[in-house]
Amino acid sequence: NAGVTQTPKFQVLKTGQSMTLQCAQDMNHEYMSWYRQDPGMGLRLIHYSVGAGITDQGEVPNGYNVSRSTTEDFPLRLLSAAPSQTSVYFCASTRGGLQTQYFGPGTRLLVL
Amino acid sequence: EDKVVQSPLSLVVHEGDTVTLNCSYEVTNFRSLLWYKQEKKAPTFLFMLTSSGIEKKSGRLSSILDKKELFSILNITATQTGDSAVYLCAGAGSYQLTFGKGTKLSVIP
Repeated sequence: NAGVTQTPKFQVLKTGQSMTLQCAQDMNHEYMSWYRQDPGMGLRLIHYSVGAGITDQGEVPNGYNVSRSTTEDFPLRLLSAAPSQTSVYFCASTRGGLQTQYFGPGTRLLVL
Repeated sequence: EDKVVQSPLSLVVHEGDTVTLNCSYEVTNFRSLLWYKQEKKAPTFLFMLTSSGIEKKSGRLSSILDKKELFSILNITATQTGDSAVYLCAGAGSYQLTFGKGTKLSVIP
């Protein structure tokens, strides 16, 4: 198993550009989630999904869209990037409880 | 709104010291309290606590939960430089984890 994979590892965007952060898992996990982590902060939940076709908002959803068309993939879309979205983004997945979440390696995003 | 508060935010100790990290929480539909260690990459899971007063131990690390006072502590004894990291506490509700800001622990030789 590759576990949870995220692409790209690092991205620079200009304000107003759009992009998609990719997240994939090959463990047949129903639950997937996206977090952002800013300097000196813990992780904050952006969106999560409890299964294909089902998504819901977390603590900081504004400016982000998600979809879950397959069990394996959970892409995060930035519609119009803003400097406030400069952060490290982590994707995670689990079959069981939240304590067994597998985290991806993270995507570092810089918005100029 | 769910809230998790950790203290202190940073801590510098010498090798061999014992440290106590604190975590208070207010989480809707609380299921469990989780501790993670983060070293410049994704967090790695340390403990899950669901019952009050039952200590979880792993080597030099231990943790306990007080569900009445909505509080947890993480103890590290005989600290080593390899313990230097950010320690995150998170409260688990039905479908969401709420993280604290973390405690940055620096262990100097």
